[in-house]
Amino acid sequence: DAKTTQPTSMDCAEGRAANLPCNHSTISGNEYVYWYRQIHSQGPQYIIHGLKNNETNEMASLIITEDRKSSTLILPHATLRDTAVYYCIVRVAMDAGNMLTFGGGTRLMVKP
Amino acid sequence: GAGVSQTPSNKVTEKGKYVELRCDPISGHTALYWYRQSLGQGPEFLIYFQGTGAADDSGLPNDRFFAVRPEGSVSTLKIQRTERGDSAVYLCASSPMGGGTDNEQFFGPGTRLTVL
Repeated sequence: DAKTTQPTSMDCAEGRAANLPCNHSTISGNEYVYWYRQIHSQGPQYIIHGLKNNETNEMASLIITEDRKSSTLILPHATLRDTAVYYCIVRVAMDAGNMLTFGGGTRLMVKP
Repeated sequence: GAGVSQTPSNKVTEKGKYVELRCDPISGHTALYWYRQSLGQGPEFLIYFQGTGAADDSGLPNDRFFAVRPEGSVSTLKIQRTERGDSAVYLCASSPMGGGTDNEQFFGPGTRLTVL
């Protein structure tokens, strides 16, 4: 699976949009971009995933650049409960086992 | 509905002892995963079960680690002759199927293992 690069930490004001970047310059054509987050003392939680089109669900939006070498997770109106470590993961479609390869993630701190 | 549960939530043991960590996946999920998370790092894959069989155990660090899932539901991670370096949070996840990109993994809260 391709390697991802994320900033170590970010701050965001409550109520503002949080934009979390991820670089995956070696991504292959059959690899998807996944985002998970981990709130303190909990297990990781799935947020969203995409291949090349932008995706939106009730939690967030995922913007993938046209060359697919980077993406941005957008939390449109961050709340204090969104404070967590956010992991960007690239993985092959239909991969047997589909284990997740986590990097260091971005520690997002939402401040009042 | 009930999510993935793990017991115990905390386990303290002494170096050299044997421990068992239990995972109850979401009912009906055929795929089950174990991960280990050291302080300040992301989770690392240990082993993956599809049904009763271990389909991929390439993440197990050595032969002191073993996991079973005899009836295709509950799984137990077993660690023999524990070492201080085994101290970590052990996470379990399940998903409806093993393959495919839409099968998100649902994680339990983890078991925090401390080896003194």
